[in-house]
Amino acid sequence: EPEVTQTPSHQVTQMGQEVILHCVPISNHLYFYWYRQILGQKVEFLVSFYNNEISEKSEIFDDQFSVERPDGSNFTLKIRSTKLEDSAMYFCASKGDANTGELFFGEGSRLTVL
Amino acid sequence: KQEVTQIPAALSVPEGENLVLNCSFTDSAIYNLQWFRQDPGKGLTSLLLIQSSQREQTSGRLNASLDKSSGRSTLYIAASQPGDSATYLCAVTLYGNKLVFGAGTILRVKS
Repeated sequence: EPEVTQTPSHQVTQMGQEVILHCVPISNHLYFYWYRQILGQKVEFLVSFYNNEISEKSEIFDDQFSVERPDGSNFTLKIRSTKLEDSAMYFCASKGDANTGELFFGEGSRLTVL
Repeated sequence: KQEVTQIPAALSVPEGENLVLNCSFTDSAIYNLQWFRQDPGKGLTSLLLIQSSQREQTSGRLNASLDKSSGRSTLYIAASQPGDSATYLCAVTLYGNKLVFGAGTILRVKS
């Protein structure tokens, strides 16, 4: 069964360092997303991406965050200068249809900022 | 602003019991509603997707209903098993197609 894959599963970094989280969405999907979940809190929307550009972003997604689809399969989230409060589980998701489609999530990348 | 609330926050039941998880949302302008399962430290597994024009969806022992006008959905789990123990999340898809999640119901099924 097709699935969204994410790497790394866990990353520990020092405050101020750059981090890149990697995702391979389901191959025929066109809409890509990043969500995050701080421990004990709700899953929150960060950004959506379609046709090689950001279609929507939340207030969390400030200038420290960026997304990229460098080739036909990968979708990355970069945090330029990590802060302690960036520690969270980051989930990549994809779907084939914009509005009515089912959203499929990866297993997540746990980011710990020290 | 869309708010999604799930009740109860936690539920502990003996094996074999039928149970209902509740989800409510404040704005009925949604495309669909999705129920997810999340195991500790893991990703989100999609269980059921109900389009805004539908009333219910079924998959195995799971049945989800949607009453869009009243802003409510229920997830019914029949004959619960210990393997059903997990957190169940409800999320609505807004116009603009991002999901807004509830906080989840933590379910424990005791053997």
